Amino acid sequence: DAGVIQSPRHEVTEMGQEVTLRCKPISGHNSLFWYRQTMMRGLELLIYFNNNVPIDDSGMPEDRFSAKMPNASFSTLKIQPSEPRDSAVYFCASDKGREAGANVLTFGAGSRLTVL
Amino acid sequence: AQKVTQAQTEISVVEKEDVTLDCVYETRDTTYYLFWYKQPPSGELVFLIRRNSFDEQNEISGRYSWNFQKSTSSFNFTITASQVVDSAVYFCAPSGGGADGLTFGKGTHLIIQP
Repeated sequence: DAGVIQSPRHEVTEMGQEVTLRCKPISGHNSLFWYRQTMMRGLELLIYFNNNVPIDDSGMPEDRFSAKMPNASFSTLKIQPSEPRDSAVYFCASDKGREAGANVLTFGAGSRLTVL
Repeated sequence: AQKVTQAQTEISVVEKEDVTLDCVYETRDTTYYLFWYKQPPSGELVFLIRRNSFDEQNEISGRYSWNFQKSTSSFNFTITASQVVDSAVYFCAPSGGGADGLTFGKGTHLIIQP
């Protein structure tokens, strides 16, 4: 099992550019979560999907952020346009899904985003 | 919705000392789960334990132990005979029974000095 795979691991971009972060969950996991970690705000849940359907996106900071899950093995988090305050580590995590109860989230290694 | 308070921002102890990390949570759910995760300097988040709200038995795993007190809404974590490799940020996180993700505390930065 390769675990949750995120790419890119590091991204440096300039303000105003579009940023796309990618995530491949563990095969067989039905829920996928996007978290953001900053020094000031800690770990925040941005959005989560169950069976590829967005369930709660109330944590998405603003309209510049969007997330999709076109199939069970792939999700993207897009920021357009990016701003310096978006600089953070973005984690993707997956678990077995709502039907299985509160299972253990397995996290990817994270994508460190720096917006200049 | 859940809330969690980890009042200790940073703890520093000398190797081989015992150390307890505090966690106080709030929830309106009758069924919920409590988790601890570890984030070492390398940055990944590592699962340590999950506890069901109906199970108030304390748990021990090697040098790690957890004390769940439902009456005080606390789920404290103790490391016995700490080692330098235990240095990390530790997060307590409650979750509702609907598997709606984890609400993380601010974390406690544990520093084990040799």
